[in-house]
Amino acid sequence: EAEVAQSPRYKITEKSQAVAFWCDPISGHATLYWYRQILGQGPELLVQFQDESVVDDSQLPKDRFSAERLKGVDSTLKIQPAELGDSAMYLCASSLEVEAEAFFGQGTRLTVV
Amino acid sequence: GDSVTQMEGPVTLSEEAFLTINCTYTATGYPSLFWYVQYPGEGLQLLLKATKADDKGSNKGFEATYRKETTSFHLEKGSVQVSDSAVYFCASQYSTLTFGKGTMLLVSP
Repeated sequence: EAEVAQSPRYKITEKSQAVAFWCDPISGHATLYWYRQILGQGPELLVQFQDESVVDDSQLPKDRFSAERLKGVDSTLKIQPAELGDSAMYLCASSLEVEAEAFFGQGTRLTVV
Repeated sequence: GDSVTQMEGPVTLSEEAFLTINCTYTATGYPSLFWYVQYPGEGLQLLLKATKADDKGSNKGFEATYRKETTSFHLEKGSVQVSDSAVYFCASQYSTLTFGKGTMLLVSP
């Protein structure tokens, strides 16, 4: 069964360091989402791609976060520099199109120390 | 912007009890509605969905009906099991996928 792949599963980094997460969506899925989920809360959208274009990054802290999906397939989310408050689960999801069902990866658990 | 509000947890039930988790939404258009479930340490899994008014989504004994007049999508199950213990998220999707804060369900034997 096709699934959304994310790596790494866990990441510990020191504050002020750079960190990057990778996501490989289900083949053929044009829409890709990155969410941040703080413990005990719901996922919050960071960025949404349609193919290689960003369609919503209004909640992305652009002073330290960046995201790209250069060929419209896999995607990278980067944080530089990391802050203690960035500790959270980062979830990637993909869907065939904007209004279709989204499938989630296992997530990357980030701990900033 | 679009938003989803769901009842706060935890919801604590005994096995075989009836479950209701309330969810209401605000949206500029007519969104699709979803319930996702998250087991400890795992990502989100789609539980059920409804794409238009009066649709009923169902899966694994869970049900939810899209009520446009009350802008609600309440999750129900007639008889919960210990294995249903998880966090449940209501979500709406119009131009983007928006989640509620989640409701933890704890089912005891």
